[in-house]
Amino acid sequence: DIQMTQSPSTLSASVGDRVTITCRASQSISSWLAWYQQKPGKAPKLLIYKASSLESGVPSRFSGSGSGTEFTLTISSLQPDDFATYYCQQYNSYSFTFGPGTKVDIK
Amino acid sequence: QVQLQESGPGLVKPSETLSLTCTVSGGSISSYYWSWIRQPAGKGLEWIGRIYTSGSTNYNPSLKSRVTMSVDTSKNQFSLKLSSVTAADTAVYYCARVALYGDYSDIWGQGTMVTVSS
Repeated sequence: DIQMTQSPSTLSASVGDRVTITCRASQSISSWLAWYQQKPGKAPKLLIYKASSLESGVPSRFSGSGSGTEFTLTISSLQPDDFATYYCQQYNSYSFTFGPGTKVDIK
Repeated sequence: QVQLQESGPGLVKPSETLSLTCTVSGGSISSYYWSWIRQPAGKGLEWIGRIYTSGSTNYNPSLKSRVTMSVDTSKNQFSLKLSSVTAADTAVYYCARVALYGDYSDIWGQGTMVTVSS
């Protein structure tokens, strides 16, 4: 199985901050990576697919980059609605593993 | 727009079989893969498997011996069965649609909590 790691595990930030979350794969996954946002008690919401493609309807302050084994999710200017947990997922090979998550909370 | 809704018992006894159904509304189930993903309380997400509308399946190797997925296109539904459950299978179970051009999930159900306890 491909193992996914994320850093940091928790990130404290203020509204307006630029936020970057890193996701690493244990082997190359090309660009087969998605990012999701999850709020408490809710299902995950797709933000980014194929490492850098923005899902329709997702604000442009979210962006993704990377390929191979290292990826980043950037929020250019953190908004109150963005406080949540973020997960990466590789879909290069079964079993389509998720990272452990990064919680973005209020500083 | 397409919506997904999970249904099934919220409580299952140890060693028994967990059975969940996902109903797809607002669109056809045909020509897509559909997946199940679970999340224990306070923990991360685990991909369980996926099924195509033809019935073709792929399962997480760690769960493969206990998982069965099926699809009923006439009812716009797909289902999950997980046998020989233990407390470790207690989780919120999500059904989701797999995107057309990549194996990520673009539409999710709200999730249903399943507790394994006697």
